[in-house]
Amino acid sequence: DVKVTQSSRYLVKRTGEKVFLECVQDMDHENMFWYRQDPGLGLRLIYFSYDVKMKEKGDIPEGYSVSREKKERFSLILESASTNQTSMYLCASSLDRGLKPGSYEQYFGPGTRLTVT
Amino acid sequence: EDQVTQSPEALRLQEGESSSLNCSYTVSGLRGLFWYRQDPGKGPEFLFTLYSAGEEKEKERLKATLTKKESFLHITAPKPEDSATYLCAVQANSGYALNFGKGTSLLVTP
Repeated sequence: DVKVTQSSRYLVKRTGEKVFLECVQDMDHENMFWYRQDPGLGLRLIYFSYDVKMKEKGDIPEGYSVSREKKERFSLILESASTNQTSMYLCASSLDRGLKPGSYEQYFGPGTRLTVT
Repeated sequence: EDQVTQSPEALRLQEGESSSLNCSYTVSGLRGLFWYRQDPGKGPEFLFTLYSAGEEKEKERLKATLTKKESFLHITAPKPEDSATYLCAVQANSGYALNFGKGTSLLVTP
C-alpha cells in the first residue's frame, strides 16, 4: 500500500513566522504535489515536483516555496506566514512511469491543518 | 481551460436508497478521470481511475462510469458508512496536475 505521511496534523503559527510542512512517501513515486483545500474553493495546486530538485508552479504559488532534495521527501515552505494561509494542506504523490497502469493516480497524505494567527 | 463541475453539492439519502453523483468536465485531451472519497478532516482516498468513454469500474456499492462529457458515481443501497465527500478530478494528457471539482457531500441516514 502507498503511504504518504505529513509531519504534523495540526499546526498553529504566528503571522510572519517561517513555516515548514514536510511530506514523505514510501513508494518510490516520481511526482509529488502540494495542494491547499478551503471551503467553497476545493483543492488547489500550489506546487509540484516531477523529479529530485525539479519543481513547477501550480495555480497558487504566491507566498510559498518548495524543496525536494530527496526523492521521497517534498517540503512546502511559507516564507512569512499570513492569516490568509490558514488552510488544510494536502500532500500527494504519483508513480508516473508512462503507460504503466496506475501511473497517474495520486495518493494523498492525511493533511496538515494550519492556523496562522 | 480545464473545468470540472460536480452536482449536486449535497445529497441526503436514506439507507438503501440508491442514487448517482454527477461530474461534468471539459479538458483538452483526457488522460484520466479520478474519483476520491474524503472523510472530514482527512486526506482524499483514491477510489477509481477511468481512462476512456464507455469504461466502468466497481468497488463494493460504488460504480463509476465515463462518457465524453461526464462521469457518474452510482451508489447502490448505500449504508451510513458511505457518508463522505466524493471528489472528481481530471488530468489532461499535457500535464501532471489534477483539476478537482468542489465535491458532493453525501449523508446517508439509517
